[in-house]
Amino acid sequence: EAGVTQSPTHLIKTRGQQATLRCSPISGHTSVYWYQQALGLGLQFLLWYDEGEERNRGNFPPRFSGRQFPNYSSELNVNALELEDSALYLCASSLVQGSTDTQYFGPGTRLTVL
Amino acid sequence: GENVEQHPSTLSVQEGDSAVIKCTYSDSASNYFPWYKQELGKGPQLIIDIRSNVGEKKDQRIAVTLNKTAKHFSLHITETQPEDSAVYFCAAAYSSASKIIFGSGTRLSIRP
Repeated sequence: EAGVTQSPTHLIKTRGQQATLRCSPISGHTSVYWYQQALGLGLQFLLWYDEGEERNRGNFPPRFSGRQFPNYSSELNVNALELEDSALYLCASSLVQGSTDTQYFGPGTRLTVL
Repeated sequence: GENVEQHPSTLSVQEGDSAVIKCTYSDSASNYFPWYKQELGKGPQLIIDIRSNVGEKKDQRIAVTLNKTAKHFSLHITETQPEDSAVYFCAAAYSSASKIIFGSGTRLSIRP
């Protein structure tokens, strides 16, 4: 069974541009979560989608947004990129809605903002 | 607010010795506690988890203990091997808030 996949692996943008990151969950999983992991820091919760709807978001500005498609894949958009947005962006999926269900992570997208 | 504290931030042990990483959480409503291992350039991988109705869980060389009264839980790795070198994250799931809070991570190094 394929795991969580993310694309692209690396993304380089300049300040002020927009970035789009993509995630495909494990087959059968309906919940997708996004996390930001800045260099040397822990995982910060960004967004949670389930059944196409945003269920919860972390303490991030509105320029971080996303959506979930009918096939449960998800997209994270970051507008008006700032230098401090440089980080590894991780996507995770779980089988059943809710935070107490095991989350399985993808390999991440490394975003570099110049 | 919700918080998970993890200690130590770095840990170096001799190959074959045991390693212990400790975490405390703030919300007594937490009922799910996963541990993840992250190797360089990869996403976190679940290595073991425990739910609040269990005090201890073991999987080969890895064990996790949970003390709900004290609100802390620990990861124990016995007979450490070079491949155990990685960053380990604890987490606590706050079901009422529908999100998982991660600790800050422990960089474990195994000395040959």
